Amino acid sequence: GAVVSQHPSRVICKSGTSVKIECRSLDFQATTMFWYRQFPKQSLMLMATSNEGSKATYEQGVEKDKFLINHASLTLSTLTVTSAHPEDSSFYICSASSASGGAGNEQFFGPGTRLTVL
Amino acid sequence: AQRVTQPEKLLSVFKGAPVELKCNYSYSGSPELFWYVQYSRQRLQLLLRHISRESIKGFTADLNKGETSFHLKKPFAQEEDSAMYYCALLYNAGNMLTFGGGTRLMVKP
Repeated sequence: GAVVSQHPSRVICKSGTSVKIECRSLDFQATTMFWYRQFPKQSLMLMATSNEGSKATYEQGVEKDKFLINHASLTLSTLTVTSAHPEDSSFYICSASSASGGAGNEQFFGPGTRLTVL
Repeated sequence: AQRVTQPEKLLSVFKGAPVELKCNYSYSGSPELFWYVQYSRQRLQLLLRHISRESIKGFTADLNKGETSFHLKKPFAQEEDSAMYYCALLYNAGNMLTFGGGTRLMVKP
């Protein structure tokens, strides 16, 4: 099956710094990539959707200036948490889809990145 | 707006017992539903989707539009089934997923 990787798997940073998380589709071209956030013992919440070469679409309540998303190629999307604060500490998960829409689309999930902001 | 509800946060059964993980949805469009599973320390992975009408690892799920449900069932639970299970709905022209809150299944020996 399709494989999606994330890097780093875990990051600890000081408050005020920016953190970049990479999401790569290893064996397929990802037309669409998704970024989710998962709090402890809670479900995944979609943050934004990005299509290669265009601006990301953010969900309501997600600050686009806080969470910068770049999808520069069909195999790479990055999420940058700018000026991170302790409340940004969470598990960030990306997924990728090889299609741009339609019934039956499958998203392939990365292993997640645990961000801890001190 | 679309919504997926999994009423049970935790379901604990003994090995060999039947399992049913409940999932209800609300969506104005034609629903496309999935079950995802997350084993301990592993990534989220697709278990099954309703359009495939398949049985994976002994699990089945039937879409009931009248009851707006997509419950996941297995007649005889195994210890290796212990995991987090998420029901998800595809929306926005099949481009986005919304997840239920998840149910942790614990199968005791």
